[in-house]
Amino acid sequence: DAGITQSPRHKVTETGTPVTLRCHQTENHRYMYWYRQDPGHGLRLIHYSYGVKDTDKGEVSDGYSVSRSKTEDFLLTLESATSSQTSVYFCAISGTGVHEQYFGPGTRLTVT
Amino acid sequence: GESVGLHLPTLSVQEGDNSIINCAYSNSASDYFIWYKQESGKGPQFIIDIRSNMDKRQGQRVTVLLNKTVKHLSLQIAATQPGDSAVYFCAEGNTDKLIFGTGTRLQVFP
Repeated sequence: DAGITQSPRHKVTETGTPVTLRCHQTENHRYMYWYRQDPGHGLRLIHYSYGVKDTDKGEVSDGYSVSRSKTEDFLLTLESATSSQTSVYFCAISGTGVHEQYFGPGTRLTVT
Repeated sequence: GESVGLHLPTLSVQEGDNSIINCAYSNSASDYFIWYKQESGKGPQFIIDIRSNMDKRQGQRVTVLLNKTVKHLSLQIAATQPGDSAVYFCAEGNTDKLIFGTGTRLQVFP
């Protein structure tokens, strides 16, 4: 398996609180992605990064922000969590962009 | 807008038979088409990809076919095994981003 870890793996939080999810890689890959996975929607891209401090929005970026201060870490922040952000969040990495992304184990987030 | 979809949400096959999972896409400008497998409780796993300038690519027990005329992608799994039971996603994209379909569940019966 590609060297990707996500933390925490599970989290329960209350509506209105900020939440930060961490993705860490040991592959020195250029590209990192955050997706959310919900029943009936498949995987939807939230934000992605194509280098340190270089990020861009995906299709469902509202309510989320990201930061990448070093190659190995990509942080996803829910500025004020809402129940609609209850989901499973996956991080992915790639050395070449859209081709052959490797996924982490996921973080299950529940917003009550 | 761009979209990727699947014809069948669930496919049931007998062990040893061949499986065919289908996918329709809408963006004729997509350059990459990729299949992922996701087992319960795990992240998606890359299976095989194909570029838009190809119409067939083979891997170990898997073959991906691309028909650009009708915007159709398929994944063929030969001699399906119990370990193939999972949800399969197709995805399309260009440069930096992928768009995923909603997935097809493959169930393998003994």
